[in-house]
Amino acid sequence: DIQMTQSPSSLSASIGDKVTITCQASQDIRNYLNWYQQKPGKAPKLLIYDARNLETWVPGRFSGSGSGTDFSFTINSLQPEDFATYYCQQYQNLPITFGQGTRLDIK
Amino acid sequence: VQLQESGPGLVKPSQTLSLTCTVSGGSTSSGGYLWNWIRQRPGKGLEWIGFIYYNGSTSYNASLRSRLGMSLETSTNQFSLRLHSVTAADTAVYFCVRSPYSNYWFGPWGQGSLVIVSS
Repeated sequence: DIQMTQSPSSLSASIGDKVTITCQASQDIRNYLNWYQQKPGKAPKLLIYDARNLETWVPGRFSGSGSGTDFSFTINSLQPEDFATYYCQQYQNLPITFGQGTRLDIK
Repeated sequence: VQLQESGPGLVKPSQTLSLTCTVSGGSTSSGGYLWNWIRQRPGKGLEWIGFIYYNGSTSYNASLRSRLGMSLETSTNQFSLRLHSVTAADTAVYFCVRSPYSNYWFGPWGQGSLVIVSS
């Protein structure tokens, strides 16, 4: 199975900050990498697919980049609604696997 | 498209966990999508369980394959999960989720169904 390692596991930040989360795959996954946002008690929501493509509902302060084994996810100018847990997910190979998640909370 | 899980919230150890997902606003007979199950153990991350396609073909996570079964009923626009011989480690929120046939990104999701395995 492809292991996905996110960093950091948790992160405290303030409104208006820029934050970056990284995701490393245990082998080359090309650009088959997606990002999700999950709020407590809710299902995850797809934010970014194929490493850099934003879903239509996602504000432009979110971005993703990377290919191969190293990926990053950035939120520019944090807003109150952005505090949540974020997951990366690969689909280069089955089984589909997720990172362990990064919890983003308010400093 | 909306998905909604249903099923018992409590299952005894060694028994079978059974969940159904009802799809509205879309069709499980569409060839363009896969119908997935994903679970999340309490306080933990996400684990892909497997998917079923409209023609009944399936792909399961090998870690669960020996205990898994999935089925799809196009007449009722539902698909189902069965997990046999459950233990406490199977306690989780189970989500049903759609993904495009050729790209495994997930959405929309059901709201999730908490299943507790306990005697």
